[in-house]
Amino acid sequence: QVQLVQSGAEVKKPGASVKLSCKASGYRFNIYYMHWVRQAPGQGLEWMGIINPSGDTTSYAQKFEARVTLTRDTSTSTVFMELNSLTSDDTAVYYCARGSTVTNYRAFDFWGQGTAVTVSS
Amino acid sequence: EIVLTQSPGTLSLSPGDGATLSCSASQSLSASQLAWYQQKPGQAPRLLVYRASTRATGIPDRFSGSESGTDFTLTISRLEPEDFAVYYCQYYGGSPLSFGGGSKVEIK
Repeated sequence: QVQLVQSGAEVKKPGASVKLSCKASGYRFNIYYMHWVRQAPGQGLEWMGIINPSGDTTSYAQKFEARVTLTRDTSTSTVFMELNSLTSDDTAVYYCARGSTVTNYRAFDFWGQGTAVTVSS
Repeated sequence: EIVLTQSPGTLSLSPGDGATLSCSASQSLSASQLAWYQQKPGQAPRLLVYRASTRATGIPDRFSGSESGTDFTLTISRLEPEDFAVYYCQYYGGSPLSFGGGSKVEIK
């Protein structure tokens, strides 16, 4: 069965960087686009970016473009999200999600369990 | 950028009731590229509907989606206890991908 297993919770200081991972299993990893979506406490969902199957093309929401990098390792079926220059506004749960083929990979049919990132001095 | 506005913010209903959730787009959406998700506390969202009205795999038929111009609706015909959750719409036809602010269906 499809599984996306994310790395554990992180606590960071303002100005630091965080790199999260999302390991996929149960499907052909190298044909699916992957996304990252975040959710601040008590708030809605916010799309951050997408990475293509080969990992050589990414697209980011303008809000994050200067600070976020998505990468993927096909040898381990893992995608990564690195976010730099953290502030308290980045405190959120971060989800990886698989792009659904029936929506040209732009809606999300499977999600990771989420990784909580807390930014605090 | 397309803005999605969901209403109502909160809907208080009883099991067995019907629920109607709305999502209004700031402009016309190409090819009905709208999805609906359900999210329960402490869980990741779950895809319910895509292409405005097509149920995702394994979604019960009490969930249905429809559209009229720039207005989209998710209808739950008879609420089961497990349906009390927050529901989000998402536009996936352009960039950035965008979500509505969510509608909470709570037990009355």
